Amino acid sequence: AQTVTQSQPEMSVQEAETVTLSCTYDTSESNYYLFWYKQPPSRQMILVIRQEAYKQQNATENRFSVNFQKAAKSFSLKISDSQLGDTAMYFCAFMKHESGNNRKLIWGLGTSLAVNP
Amino acid sequence: NAGVTQTPKFRVLKTGQSMTLLCAQDMNHEYMYWYRQDPGMGLRLIHYSVGEGTTAKGEVPDGYNVSRLKKQNFLLGLESAAPSQTSVYFCASSYSLGQGDDEQYFGPGTRLTVT
Repeated sequence: AQTVTQSQPEMSVQEAETVTLSCTYDTSESNYYLFWYKQPPSRQMILVIRQEAYKQQNATENRFSVNFQKAAKSFSLKISDSQLGDTAMYFCAFMKHESGNNRKLIWGLGTSLAVNP
Repeated sequence: NAGVTQTPKFRVLKTGQSMTLLCAQDMNHEYMYWYRQDPGMGLRLIHYSVGEGTTAKGEVPDGYNVSRLKKQNFLLGLESAAPSQTSVYFCASSYSLGQGDDEQYFGPGTRLTVT
């Protein structure tokens, strides 16, 4: 069975600094998808970034980037120039690449990030 | 374009009461999901649907039923509420035309308390 582990329940960073959130996963699949979602205090879940396993290039979305290490089954999220609005719970999620109707995400337990002024 | 909406936003139930949570999406998405979120447990999938008229069980389906009579709506029912069902419930939808990298769009959540 696939599992997703986020080993840092809580983290904090000073405004304008860089922080990295870790995520590891376990799978025997060769192709799959990985996601980072953000849940601010408003509770709204928002997609931050996604990565397809067969793509070697790390995904980047503005200040957010990932370090995808397929062999190590690691998918960390780097937030550069942290802003107060980045304060949120961050969830890592995994989805198998599969035809048919099995489109379920497997979620980590989340990392609570506080950006301090 | 409202995205994914959930009704109600808050509800308090007594043990044994029933209720239905409504999820609606206006993005013509095929897939819809119901999750519950509890402290320290992350998001757990209750039921999901891959199209109108279809439903399937997720990780924690016991005590819940669902229906997808219309493509845009996905209903979650609690027939006899229990305190263990106190949680925040999220609905999500995705288009899923592609190979699986489809973003799930989430509703704002429903906070349910069962006393």
